[in-house]
Amino acid sequence: SAVISQKPSRDICQRGTSLTIQCQVDSQVTMMFWYRQQPGQSLTLIATANQGSEATYESGFVIDKFPISRPNLTFSTLTVSNMSPEDSSIYLCSVEQGVSSGNTIYFGEGSWLTVV
Amino acid sequence: AQKITQTQPGMFVQEKEAVTLDCTYDTSDPSYGLFWYKQPSSGEMIFLIYQGSYDQQNATEGRYSLNFQKARKSANLVISASQLGDSAMYFCAMREASGGSNYKLTFGKGTLLTVNP
Repeated sequence: SAVISQKPSRDICQRGTSLTIQCQVDSQVTMMFWYRQQPGQSLTLIATANQGSEATYESGFVIDKFPISRPNLTFSTLTVSNMSPEDSSIYLCSVEQGVSSGNTIYFGEGSWLTVV
Repeated sequence: AQKITQTQPGMFVQEKEAVTLDCTYDTSDPSYGLFWYKQPSSGEMIFLIYQGSYDQQNATEGRYSLNFQKARKSANLVISASQLGDSAMYFCAMREASGGSNYKLTFGKGTLLTVNP
């Protein structure tokens, strides 16, 4: 299975600042995904990041708030911009191994952000 | 309508006993995949088991098995011989093959499992 490392694992952020979360995978993957999990809630997809193209955002998420980079096949970053307490969440990076629909989706350890 | 429904907000089980966590889903897509993940208090999402809509047999992975009833659109997770370390939140998720987000996972609200000694 893919090994996915996220940094930071936890952070406390000041309101109005921005934070960039890094996701590193130990193998090349075509698609990387960023999810958000608000406190006590389930996971919601923010965007899908393909190498060499702009990320595709889900309804309710915009590039200005959550800019994403995907410079190569093993790395991606998610920035949470101009943070407010409502952005306090776990942010998770995930990848799919393989290209067929029967393959597995793995997640990183998550990045816990608390905005104060 | 919710695509993934987990009706049990919380479940309790005695150590060494088996437990079933319920999951029903809603899709009109003939090709889809169903996933179960475990999320301990540390926050990481741990992949447990996968079932494809065309798979003829129920998926099994060690102590985890998936009771897949396609006609009922249910994909219940069975954990055998529960261990204290199984205490965690469990999420059922589905990926549909068609649509704009081919690889998007839709999650249920989760079930918090507590294993008692």
